Amino acid sequence: DVKVTQSSRYLVKRTGEKVFLECVQDMDHENMFWYRQDPGLGLRLIYFSYDVKMKEKGDIPEGYSVSREKKERFSLILESASTNQTSMYLCASSLRRTYEQYFGPGTRLTVT
Amino acid sequence: TQLLEQSPQFLSIQEGENLTVYCNSSSVFSSLQWYRQEPGEGPVLLVTVVTGGEVKKLKRLTFQFGDARKDSSLHITAAQPGDTGLYLCAGGSQGNLIFGKGTKLSVKP
Repeated sequence: DVKVTQSSRYLVKRTGEKVFLECVQDMDHENMFWYRQDPGLGLRLIYFSYDVKMKEKGDIPEGYSVSREKKERFSLILESASTNQTSMYLCASSLRRTYEQYFGPGTRLTVT
Repeated sequence: TQLLEQSPQFLSIQEGENLTVYCNSSSVFSSLQWYRQEPGEGPVLLVTVVTGGEVKKLKRLTFQFGDARKDSSLHITAAQPGDTGLYLCAGGSQGNLIFGKGTKLSVKP
């Protein structure tokens, strides 16, 4: 079974802090994705990566950056957290040239 | 812009009832996935359909891909409380995966 793990299930940070969200997958998937999920807005793609050291902007990249130094690990960085970044963050992975994505359990981030 | 519209948004039924939820678009998709998401968890892939008219069954769940590959339906027979969750459809096209906003299903015992 594919396993995608995320570093924290719940996180509370203060406005202006730098926040790191880590995601690790154990199935040698090439593609990795970061989404945020908000009520009424559904899943929105923040960034994705098709290979190590590669990154592509999704639909809402502003205020975020990513890092992919190893194939299995994809990090999401909030450079200076703001209250409007309070959300559920979901990481996913997939094989190259497939659409089926496997999700981690999510990180519920609250910025106060 | 490709959009996937899911209906209904919310559905509350009694245990044992049957239900159908829908996923519609004006765009053609190479494949379509259905996911179920329980509160506080990530979505879990249920099924992928790729051929127009394709029907797949997963125990009490029946998934159908429209002939024109623009829409899909999920039918649940004899719903159980364990079926409660958010059902998301997602369509794949030109390297992108587009998600609908989901149908929130509540099955009461």
